[in-house]
Amino acid sequence: EDKVVQSPLSLVVHEGDTVTLNCSYEVTNFRSLLWYKQEKKAPTFLFMLTSSGIEKKSGRLSSILDKKELFSILNITATQTGDSAVYLCVAALTDTSGTYKYIFGTGTRLKVLA
Amino acid sequence: SQTIHQWPATLVQPVGSPLSLECTVEGTSNPNLYWYRQAAGRGLQLLFYSVGIGQISSEVPQNLSASRPQDRQFILSSKKLLLSDSGFYLCAWRKTGFVGNSPLHFGNGTRLTVT
Repeated sequence: EDKVVQSPLSLVVHEGDTVTLNCSYEVTNFRSLLWYKQEKKAPTFLFMLTSSGIEKKSGRLSSILDKKELFSILNITATQTGDSAVYLCVAALTDTSGTYKYIFGTGTRLKVLA
Repeated sequence: SQTIHQWPATLVQPVGSPLSLECTVEGTSNPNLYWYRQAAGRGLQLLFYSVGIGQISSEVPQNLSASRPQDRQFILSSKKLLLSDSGFYLCAWRKTGFVGNSPLHFGNGTRLTVT
């Protein structure tokens, strides 16, 4: 069974702290690993990773994929209260007909205190 | 640019009543379309996905069905709602005709409460 596991489930930090969110996956026909941020409604796309060892960076957020260990991390430096959200890790894979499917982890709930 | 519309935003329905949620995508052709459900405090569960008109793949056997009557329209239905159908329903699309990976883009979701 395809699965994506995230840790920790929740995290409370203070503004300025650095956090690392973890994601491990076990899927067949893996294609890429994605990260999303979900506040109150729809998830918003952060990163898509397809190659091992290449860091993707956007401002204070960065992410890296290890395809050998089936693992990804999302780092947030100098956290701000606006970073408070649920962060979702997603594995993209293809089914037997080559159609893309996206399997979500349960998310890490991050709360940043002022 | 591409946009996705999903409605209604919220819905309260009694047990045993029918359901119809609609999603349309603009600005792209032949997208892959997806329905997800998010129960309170839980992750997104893939319900259905579609690669074209009339083509539906079901992930979880349950009280729901999906249809794709037009290229950019995706409908989630139920004949008789159960209490366990309550949740946050999200429609998403993915660009096709593109060799390689592309992310999912989500609508704003429908929060369904079955009473």
